[in-house]
Amino acid sequence: DGGITQSPKYLFRKEGQNVTLSCEQNLNHDAMYWYRQDPGQGLRLIYYSQIVNDFQKGDIAEGYSVSREKKESFPLTVTSAQKNPTAFYLCASMVVGGTEAFFGQGTRLTVV
Amino acid sequence: SQKIEQNSEALNIQEGKTATLTCNYTNYSPAYLQWYRQDPGRGPVFLLLIRENEKEKRKERLKVTFDTTLKQSLFHITASQPADSATYLCALVNSGGYQKVTFGIGTKLQVIP
Repeated sequence: DGGITQSPKYLFRKEGQNVTLSCEQNLNHDAMYWYRQDPGQGLRLIYYSQIVNDFQKGDIAEGYSVSREKKESFPLTVTSAQKNPTAFYLCASMVVGGTEAFFGQGTRLTVV
Repeated sequence: SQKIEQNSEALNIQEGKTATLTCNYTNYSPAYLQWYRQDPGRGPVFLLLIRENEKEKRKERLKVTFDTTLKQSLFHITASQPADSATYLCALVNSGGYQKVTFGIGTKLQVIP
């Protein structure tokens, strides 16, 4: 089955630790995106990438980092510099020039 | 700065009525606009797309309009059902350059039986 997979679904970390969220897709999409969603809020764009080894900052990139070493994979690292990391994180992929974004099931990160 | 506005308050309507949701934007020149549905704890699911040169699109009970002069899109669900209860998000995809997809805050729709 083609799709986009995020893991894990729930993640707990201690304050001050870096944590990496996984996002893998087998849809052969060039564009991939990371969003953050807080309770009662919309999706805010963290980073996006259109080709391997290239990515762009979104609207709230501070405290986050990404890599795009393979077309299929776009991991997000939440660093200790992110002041409020507890949130629901969503990864998406899309054909460049395509009609719709496909989302993973999300990772709920809780920092204690 | 660029801004997308949706009515952040919940919309409650009676079953069978038409729900109308609004998406307004400023300082954008989008190539097209998308509408998604999101259920609690899940990722959004794509519903419809409308391009800048289109006025209206339909899909079953859904209808989207796009007015680039008013910088507004309206999303209609006719003959609404309780199963339509969810949060509906609009998203703008920029024209030219990198393909950036920016979402509004969403409107929570509750269809009352």
